[in-house]
Amino acid sequence: GENVEQHPSTLSVQEGDSAVIKCTYSDSASNYFPWYKQELGKGPQLIIDIRSNVGEKKDQRIAVTLNKTAKHFSLHITETQPEDSAVYFCAATPPSGTYKYIFGTGTRLKVLA
Amino acid sequence: SAVISQKPSRDICQRGTSLTIQCQVDSQVTMMFWYRQQPGQSLTLIATANQGSEATYESGFVIDKFPISRPNLTFSTLTVSNMSPEDSSIYLCSANTGGNTEAFFGQGTRLTVV
Repeated sequence: GENVEQHPSTLSVQEGDSAVIKCTYSDSASNYFPWYKQELGKGPQLIIDIRSNVGEKKDQRIAVTLNKTAKHFSLHITETQPEDSAVYFCAATPPSGTYKYIFGTGTRLKVLA
Repeated sequence: SAVISQKPSRDICQRGTSLTIQCQVDSQVTMMFWYRQQPGQSLTLIATANQGSEATYESGFVIDKFPISRPNLTFSTLTVSNMSPEDSSIYLCSANTGGNTEAFFGQGTRLTVV
């Protein structure tokens, strides 16, 4: 079955700097890759997603890149702000018809003011 | 989009008892799921809640321990049965409207078993 690895597990950056989180997946047939942000005491919320027919997607300060050949995708946050501090999860969805998400292990991002 | 409400938001329970968690979605959804999240850990899928039929459980989770109901397209319950301290965790309800679409999450139920 699908397996998703995520690095790093923790990341500290200075306010205004960029942050990059990387994920690799094992099932080459996976075709949808969302990123979720989870703040303390809350459920995860989608921040950006990418489908397998696209190599890059951007939404203001957030971008995601996908390399299907290497089976990895990355989240890029530019001009980080203290409110970006949270836990970020990547996920992959194998095309099994079950609509399940396989989540990465999470990255705790701290933006230092 | 969909808004998911979970009840209760937290509970402290005695070992050996059972707790039922409710999940209400404000619109009809195709798929509903239940996840467990240990503190500081990732989300582990417990089961897919199927409307009108038995839930589909992931490896390591069984119906006797985690019975699930889904009577309609907007509501599901998860029961944690015969609880032990190892069941202390956050339980999250999730829903989406189909493949390759955003999954929405409830705020979670923080369960502590003493």
